[in-house]
Amino acid sequence: LAKTTQPISMDSYEGQEVNITCSHNNIATNDYITWYQQFPSQGPRFIIQGYKTKVTNEVASLFIPADRKSSTLSLPRVSLSDTAVYYCLVEGAAGNKLTFGGGTRVLVKP
Amino acid sequence: DADVTQTPRNRITKTGKRIMLECSQTKGHDRMYWYRQDPGLGLRLIYYSFDVKDINKGEISDGYSVSRQAQAKFSLSLESAIPNQTALYFCATSDQLAGGPDTQYFGPGTRLTVL
Repeated sequence: LAKTTQPISMDSYEGQEVNITCSHNNIATNDYITWYQQFPSQGPRFIIQGYKTKVTNEVASLFIPADRKSSTLSLPRVSLSDTAVYYCLVEGAAGNKLTFGGGTRVLVKP
Repeated sequence: DADVTQTPRNRITKTGKRIMLECSQTKGHDRMYWYRQDPGLGLRLIYYSFDVKDINKGEISDGYSVSRQAQAKFSLSLESAIPNQTALYFCATSDQLAGGPDTQYFGPGTRLTVL
C-alpha cells in the first residue's frame, strides 16, 4: 500500500477555496486516489476519486499531475459546514481495504 | 448514512465484560467492515467480510471477533473488554466503482468506554 502524507491541519475563511495536497511518492500503476471527509462523531464520507488528470463533482475537484506522486483536493468557496477532517487514500483498482492516515483537519472560520 | 445503522450508539462497560456491537445495512452490499478510531487518529481496520461465508482479519483483530449472520448484518464482539479498547467503532459497507477501488459507506459509529 502506498503511504500518503498530508498536512495535519489547515485554516481557512468562508468563501475561500481550500486546497489540500497529498503526497504519495510510491503510488503503483493500478492505484487510485480517493478522498473522504469526516465530521466529528460521524463516519467518513466519500468525496471524490481519481486516477489521473482532473476529476470534478458537485462537491470538489481532484487534481492529479502526470507523475501521480501527489494529488490536490480542491474545495471551492468553503462554508463553516466544511469544517472536517479530510483523508487521502491510495488503493489498488480492486482495493477493498482502506488505509486511513491521520488526515487533514480543516477549520473554516467566519 | 442512514442505510448503515449501528447499535448501541454509546456503551459504557467494565473490564472483563463481553460486549457485542451490531451493524445492519439496507444497501444490499456484500462487503462489510469494522474499524476503530482513537482520538485524533485515523481509522484502523479490525475485521472485514466479503460475503456471509467470508471473514478476514484486519490490521488490529486481536481481542475482537466477528459474526456475519446474514448479508445485512455484521456483529463485532469484544470477548473480554479492556480499557485500551475504549474507542469509536465504525461499521462500513462497500461496493466497487467501475474500474476503481471500493467506495465505503460508514455507519454513525458506536462510542465504547471500558472502565
